[in-house]
Amino acid sequence: DAGVTQSPTHLIKTRGQHVTLRCSPISGHKSVSWYQQVLGQGPQFIFQYYEKEERGRGNFPDRFSARQFPNYSSELNVNALLLGDSALYLCASSLENKQYFGPGTRLTVT
Amino acid sequence: AQRVTQPEKLLSVFKGAPVELKCNYSYSGSPELFWYVQYSRQRLQLLLRHISRESIKGFTADLNKGETSFHLKKPFAQEEDSAMYYCALSGSGGSNYKLTFGKGTLLTVNP
Repeated sequence: DAGVTQSPTHLIKTRGQHVTLRCSPISGHKSVSWYQQVLGQGPQFIFQYYEKEERGRGNFPDRFSARQFPNYSSELNVNALLLGDSALYLCASSLENKQYFGPGTRLTVT
Repeated sequence: AQRVTQPEKLLSVFKGAPVELKCNYSYSGSPELFWYVQYSRQRLQLLLRHISRESIKGFTADLNKGETSFHLKKPFAQEEDSAMYYCALSGSGGSNYKLTFGKGTLLTVNP
């Protein structure tokens, strides 16, 4: 098993644009969480989805949205990008309250 | 509100010396505590969790509810222990979906 996979690896966008980040969980994991990690900080919780339902949401604006598909993969969408959205976006799939992280997508907003 | 504090941003020790990475938390309930580690150019990975009470790579951590601490310890540090370490907390029951992380401690073990 390759573990949690994320795409793309790196992304450069301009302010005001929209971005979609993708995540594939470990086989058998039905829960996916998204985190934002700004340089010098620990990861900050954005969303968790379980069985295609939103189970929790962190303190992020409505520009951030996500969804989970029947195969348990997930997308994170961010609209109207701001410079402050530049960060590493981590996806984690979980089983029995243990979260397994992907390599992340590095988003740079210019 | 749940909060995790790691007071040391950087920690440098010599090989063979004991190491302790500090973690304090704030949570009104029974939390579950974790230590995650990120080696250079690798993904974030779980090192240990308090409910397992296990030792991984020689590291141990004990949950002290009185002091609300979950310090990570190793008696003899190795160069390969050099990495970024994050303490994290999740709530109990219906709120256990979310991990709250500290800002991390960068451990450097010198030869």
